[in-house]
Amino acid sequence: NAGVTQTPKFRILKIGQSMTLQCTQDMNHNYMYWYRQDPGMGLKLIYYSVGAGITDKGEVPNGYNVSRSTTEDFPLRLELAAPSQTSVYFCASSHGGTIYEQFFGPGTRLTVL
Amino acid sequence: DQQVKQNSPSLSVQEGRISILNCDYTNSMFDYFLWYKKYPAEGPTFLISISSIKDKNEDGRFTVFLNKSAKHLSLHIVPSQPGDSAVYFCAASGSSNTGKLIFGQGTTLQVKP
Repeated sequence: NAGVTQTPKFRILKIGQSMTLQCTQDMNHNYMYWYRQDPGMGLKLIYYSVGAGITDKGEVPNGYNVSRSTTEDFPLRLELAAPSQTSVYFCASSHGGTIYEQFFGPGTRLTVL
Repeated sequence: DQQVKQNSPSLSVQEGRISILNCDYTNSMFDYFLWYKKYPAEGPTFLISISSIKDKNEDGRFTVFLNKSAKHLSLHIVPSQPGDSAVYFCAASGSSNTGKLIFGQGTTLQVKP
């Protein structure tokens, strides 16, 4: 099992550009999450999904969009990138029986200049 | 409005001694608490959890204590090992059945040989 994989590992965007952060898990987990971690801060939930076709906002959803067309994939879309979106983005997944014990991907480090 | 706080950004202990990491929360609706461990350039990994109906949970060298009246939890690592050097995040959740977690800012633990 590869677990949770994220691409790309690093990315530099210019202000106003758009991009999609990819997340895939091979554990057949229903629950998936996107977090961002700013320097010296904890993780903040951006969006989450409790199953294919179902998504909902977390603490900091503004400037982002998600979709969940399959169990495996949960891409995060950034439209009109802003410097405030410079952060490390983590995708995570969990099993329905232990939803809080989340498995995290290695992260994507995004810089917006 | 930070609902989960880790007031010590860093902690340094000698190998073999006890490490005590602390976490405070403000929301009395939280009923499940977790600790995650994070190495540089990796995603967090689940370490240990505790339900609000318990005051202690133990897993090998790791023990989590919960004091609901004080809204305080702590993670004890005994004995500490150099490989335990990492950032430790506490996280909390209410009974939403969505897996949504609120994270603290993290404490960097350094275990010196």
